[in-house]
Amino acid sequence: DSGVTQTPKHLITATGQRVTLRCSPRSGDLSVYWYQQSLDQGLQFLIQYYNGEERAKGNILERFSAQQFPDLHSELNLSSLELGDSALYFCASSVGALRQSTDTQYFGPGTRLTVL
Amino acid sequence: EDQVTQSPEALRLQEGESSSLNCSYTVSGLRGLFWYRQDPGKGPEFLFTLYSAGEEKEKERLKATLTKKESFLHITAPKPEDSATYLCAVQARWTSGSRLTFGEGTQLTVNP
Repeated sequence: DSGVTQTPKHLITATGQRVTLRCSPRSGDLSVYWYQQSLDQGLQFLIQYYNGEERAKGNILERFSAQQFPDLHSELNLSSLELGDSALYFCASSVGALRQSTDTQYFGPGTRLTVL
Repeated sequence: EDQVTQSPEALRLQEGESSSLNCSYTVSGLRGLFWYRQDPGKGPEFLFTLYSAGEEKEKERLKATLTKKESFLHITAPKPEDSATYLCAVQARWTSGSRLTFGEGTQLTVNP
């Protein structure tokens, strides 16, 4: 158990709908990351938050948005869903070290999203 | 652009048959190279971080090594419970944030 929690575990919805995925980081971690894992693309970085502020953005679609709240939990909002958005979505957290130091990320169990 | 390539894509071993997995990378200044293990439908589980060429780390039957262009994950006398997908990822020094760039993984199956 990494200490990172994600809800829900599974989500089944229809095209065009909007969903929210939730993540609670490990105790003491200030950074939260979101990754998408689909069968044909592997793990892809979406976005990072550090202590409530956006720190880095990857290949995140405009239909997707995220935020980190004062209690450090994070939510990933996916809207106007398409079939191709079906994937595993992982949250990870880390201490949030300075740029020159490595910053180990610990992953949650993931949310499996199925868009029908 | 940072890139990570893992080989082979899949590997089948007999219990006790040692082997190595390869991770080739290109990155604009390496901040760290990470190995994770992932079981089907689960989140990646952290194994090792390597920082600089020549470094080695061990954990039970696994040993990770790093050169300037590659990392190897050596598995000694594997057991069926070592079956999983092993992921390699790099963290770059000169990019914003601490994103990880992952390879596609090596799916390891150890038969009893």
